Amino acid sequence: RKEVEQDPGPFNVPEGATVAFNCTYSNSASQSFFWYRQDCRKEPKLLMSVYSSGNEDGRFTAQLNRASQYISLLIRDSKLSDSATYLCVVLSGGSYIPTFGRGTSLIVHP
Amino acid sequence: SAVISQKPSRDICQRGTSLTIQCQVDSQVTMMFWYRQQPGQSLTLIATANQGSEATYESGFVIDKFPISRPNLTFSTLTVSNMSPEDSSIYLCSVERQGIEAFFGQGTRLTVV
Repeated sequence: RKEVEQDPGPFNVPEGATVAFNCTYSNSASQSFFWYRQDCRKEPKLLMSVYSSGNEDGRFTAQLNRASQYISLLIRDSKLSDSATYLCVVLSGGSYIPTFGRGTSLIVHP
Repeated sequence: SAVISQKPSRDICQRGTSLTIQCQVDSQVTMMFWYRQQPGQSLTLIATANQGSEATYESGFVIDKFPISRPNLTFSTLTVSNMSPEDSSIYLCSVERQGIEAFFGQGTRLTVV
């Protein structure tokens, strides 16, 4: 079983739609969680951290479920510019080496 | 934040040759990481490079194929040796701010023909 798993998609949604991605992780000692965004032919960039209590940044909401060992990313009112690959990233037990999921592709169409 | 300059941004190389990728950071960092990202795949860690010691390689990666240098706290190089078409990939260097955020270079897009 892979350490971090994501549905690769693509998720193909119209503008204005709400879309959600999940990411499961296998290491119960994982401590820090992030969502990164990667545009085509670009390097990954931090979208948001995922806190135990959940957190929201504008149209984006991230949540953590430790019991079921998954994190989620919800995007409301999708924009064309949201089209990208969203990478789930996990840090485990004192390690500063992030483990990446393979990413979920989102395509927002007019 | 950290600004990372990585070069070359892309290259097309003949099989059997070697390519050295450079990564320069605008601040001193303890650990630097080298990743490979093949098309449609996640980032795979190649090795962790600490200043003053040999790099630590992940399973499936060896020093003879991917020698790494880390001469100081702001610079590292990764060499892809004796290249084959299977080495065609994006190579990324990365630094991390104590578990808070990872920063990446712009990536090196390597094509081996």
